[in-house]
Order: sequence, then structure tokens, then C-alpha cells
Amino acid sequence: DIQLTQSPSFLSASVGDRVTITCRASQAISTYVAWYQQKPGKAPKLLIYASSTLQSGVPSRFRGSGSGPEFTLTISNLQPEDFATYHCQQLSSYPLITFGQGTRLDIK
Amino acid sequence: QLQLQESGPGLVKPSETLSLTCTVSGGSISSTNYYWGWFRQPPGKGLEWIGSIFYSGSTYYNPSLKSRVTISVDRSKNQFSLRLTSVIAADTGIYYCGRHWGMTTVTTYIDYWGQGTQISVSS
Repeated sequence: DIQLTQSPSFLSASVGDRVTITCRASQAISTYVAWYQQKPGKAPKLLIYASSTLQSGVPSRFRGSGSGPEFTLTISNLQPEDFATYHCQQLSSYPLITFGQGTRLDIK
Repeated sequence: QLQLQESGPGLVKPSETLSLTCTVSGGSISSTNYYWGWFRQPPGKGLEWIGSIFYSGSTYYNPSLKSRVTISVDRSKNQFSLRLTSVIAADTGIYYCGRHWGMTTVTTYIDYWGQGTQISVSS
């Protein structure tokens, strides 16, 4: 099975910082990944799809890159509303939808 | 604006069957571009895909759950449903329904999610 491993699992940062979250696939099958933001008690929200395409309405401080097996989500100029958990997700062979374990971003 | 809403029992006894329904409003479940999926999130853990269905009835299931899962669609009601048999404590979590792009395309992503429903498995 394809595994998606996010690093770090926990991240502490301050407002105005830039942070990078990495998602690594155990097999380089797909060149695409999606990223989601999830706040406590809420459903995930799509941020980026096809590795680097910003979903409509998502601020441009969010940027996705990579083409497999390693992908990154970069958030520039962190805002208070950005402190949340971030998940990566990929469609792999079978087909199978796989998620990373999540990265929790806390305010320092 | 498309909206999805899960409905279900909240509490299920071990070994029994969990049944959930997702009602879609603001759009048609018969769209030829999208699949409709079920996902779950155990307490404090990451997201897990359970399975997905196309409006025609074609289904894909997570191999780890396939023996216990059935997903069906009711186009007349604009709903799709999940049945998970022989539930155990590890099936406890928040269950989400969602709309996503293809299953046989190069990529897929979930662009609309329901708010989620808490399911607890306990006697």
C-alpha cells in the first residue's frame, strides 16, 4: 500500500512566519497531491489540488509544490486563522485514496 | 452552493451494523464528473478513505474495509449511503461524506465535505 508521511507531525510558529510542511509518498506512483486545512471540530477544507493549483478563494500565501514522491506546502506570512491541522492526500493505484497522518500547526 | 449533510445513529453497539446517509443539496448527485465518498477520522488521528460511488452505482472501496462496507446511491432522493457491518471500537470516529473528482483519473481531490457526524461504538 502507498503510505504518505508528513513531516513534521507538529510545528510551532509565530504570526508572520513562513512554514513548510512536507509530504512524502512511499512509492512514486502519482505526481499529484492535494492539501487540506482542518480546524478543530470542522471538516477539512481543500486548499490546493494537483500539487500546486490553489482552490478558489484560498489566499495566495498558500503554495504547493513537488511532483513526487516528495511534495511541500508552504505558508508565508502566517495569519492567526492559519493555525490548524494540514493533511496531504493522493490518489494511487487500485485506485485508492490515501491521506497523510496530518501536521498540526500551533501558535508559538 | 453545494451542501452535503450526514445523518446517522450516533451510537452503535459492537458487532452491529452502522448505517449512514449523506444528503446532497444545491446540486445533482447524477453529475457525470464527480464521485461521492465516505471518509472517517478516529479520535486524534488522520483521515481515512472508506469508499466512493459514482451516480451509476460503480463503487470503489478501501481494501482494508472492503469486506464490511457497502456504499449505495439513491438518485431519486439525491442521497448516498454507507453500511459498515460488524463494527468494533476501532470504528469510532467522525464520519464525513464528500464530493470528489475521478477515481480513474491521474488525481482526485475532495472539494466539498459534509460537516461530519460522530459515531461511537460502545455497548
